[in-house]
Amino acid sequence: AQKVTQAQTEISVVEKEDVTLDCVYETRDTTYYLFWYKQPPSGELVFLIRRNSFDEQNEISGRYSWNFQKSTSSFNFTITASQVVDSAVYFCALSDGGSTGANSKLTFGKGITLSVRP
Amino acid sequence: DSGVTQTPKHLITATGQRVTLRCSPRSGDLSVYWYQQSLDQGLQFLIQYYNGEERAKGNILERFSAQQFPDLHSELNLSSLELGDSALYFCASSLGTLSNQPQHFGDGTRLSIL
Repeated sequence: AQKVTQAQTEISVVEKEDVTLDCVYETRDTTYYLFWYKQPPSGELVFLIRRNSFDEQNEISGRYSWNFQKSTSSFNFTITASQVVDSAVYFCALSDGGSTGANSKLTFGKGITLSVRP
Repeated sequence: DSGVTQTPKHLITATGQRVTLRCSPRSGDLSVYWYQQSLDQGLQFLIQYYNGEERAKGNILERFSAQQFPDLHSELNLSSLELGDSALYFCASSLGTLSNQPQHFGDGTRLSIL
């Protein structure tokens, strides 16, 4: 069965600090997809990034970057020069429907509450 | 704005009652998913529909049921409500059924059982 572990529960940083959110996953499938979602205080869930299991190229998008390592089953997310507006709960999620996509449900971690202080 | 619309935003009711939550997916999306977010269980998948048919089931109680209509909107029915059903219920939609397609979430319906 699939599992997502976000060992950090709460992180507090001062504005402009860099912060990395950790995610470790478990799955038996060889093809799977990893996602990060953000839940700001207003409550909605916002899709941030998707990564597939056969592409370990890391990516940078503005102040966000992602580090995917299959060898350690980790998919970490870094915010550079954090801002107060980044304060939210961040969820890592896994979908392991494989090549058929027959099981596209998301399995979420417990979430990490990030507080960015001015 | 994700394009997924959920109504109502808030619902307060009593134990034993029945409620219906409604979801309109993004234009063009055929799959609808329901998730429950509670303090103790976190975000849990309940059920998925694709083009009107049930596709996958998760940890959905027998007291709960859902359907997707020909216009692709979906409803989640919760009956014989218990205090433990208090939670935030999210609807999400995606283009199809493939695992690589991101799910876009609505703002959720906050259900409070008194």
